[in-house]
Amino acid sequence: AQSVTQLGSHVSVSEGALVLLRCNYSSSVPPYLFWYVQYPNQGLQLLLKYTSAATLVKGINGFEAEFKKSETSFHLTKPSAHMSDAAEYFCAVSEAGNQFYFGTGTSLTVIP
Amino acid sequence: ETGVTQSPTHLIKTRGQQVTLRCSSQSGHNTVSWYQQALGQGPQFIFQYYREEENGRGNFPPRFSGLQFPNYSSELNVNALELDDSALYLCASSSGTSLNNEQFFGPGTRLTVL
Repeated sequence: AQSVTQLGSHVSVSEGALVLLRCNYSSSVPPYLFWYVQYPNQGLQLLLKYTSAATLVKGINGFEAEFKKSETSFHLTKPSAHMSDAAEYFCAVSEAGNQFYFGTGTSLTVIP
Repeated sequence: ETGVTQSPTHLIKTRGQQVTLRCSSQSGHNTVSWYQQALGQGPQFIFQYYREEENGRGNFPPRFSGLQFPNYSSELNVNALELDDSALYLCASSSGTSLNNEQFFGPGTRLTVL
C-alpha cells in the first residue's frame, strides 16, 4: 500500500518569502501525485497533479511541484507567499484499487 | 455548473445510533468517493462508487456502507456509531474512475458522536 509523508505539520513564512511544503511517498511504481488545499470550513481544492508527463508541474495560484523519482518526493513550492495562501495543504497519491491516500497535512501560516 | 453538495452540514448523534449522510455529485460526474477526516488529520479513503456499484474500499469496517443512485448522488451510512467516528466526512465526485482524475470535494458534514 502507498503511504504519504508530509514533513512539518506547521510552516510559517513571511509574506513575499518562498513557500516550500514537503511531501515524500512510498511506491514501487510511478504513482499519480496530487496537492490539495483546504481553507477553513471548506472542502479540498486541487492545486496540481503529476501524471507521469513533465516532472515539473505548474498549478493554480502560482504553485508548482517537482516530481523527483530518486528522492520519492513531490515538494510544493511558491516563489512569493501571499496572505491568501494561509491554509491547510495535503499531498495525496492514488494507486490501483481506486485507493487514494492523503498525508496528514501541513498548515501554512503567512506572516505580514 | 453545480458543485458537490453535502447534507447536513452538522450532525450530533449518540453512541450506538445510525447516521446517513448525503452527497450530490457535480453535474456530469458518475463517480463518488467518501472520506473521513478526523481532527488534525488528512482525509482517509472510505470507499468509492461508480455506476451504483462499490468500486474500491479503504480500511473501514462493514458498518460503514454506501449507496449510489441513478442520478449519481450518494449516501454514506454508518451503523452502531462509536465515539471515534466523530469527524468531518467529505464526499468527492469525478468523471470516471481513472486514478489521475481530478476529484471535486464538497464542504463536508461534521459528525459529532457523544
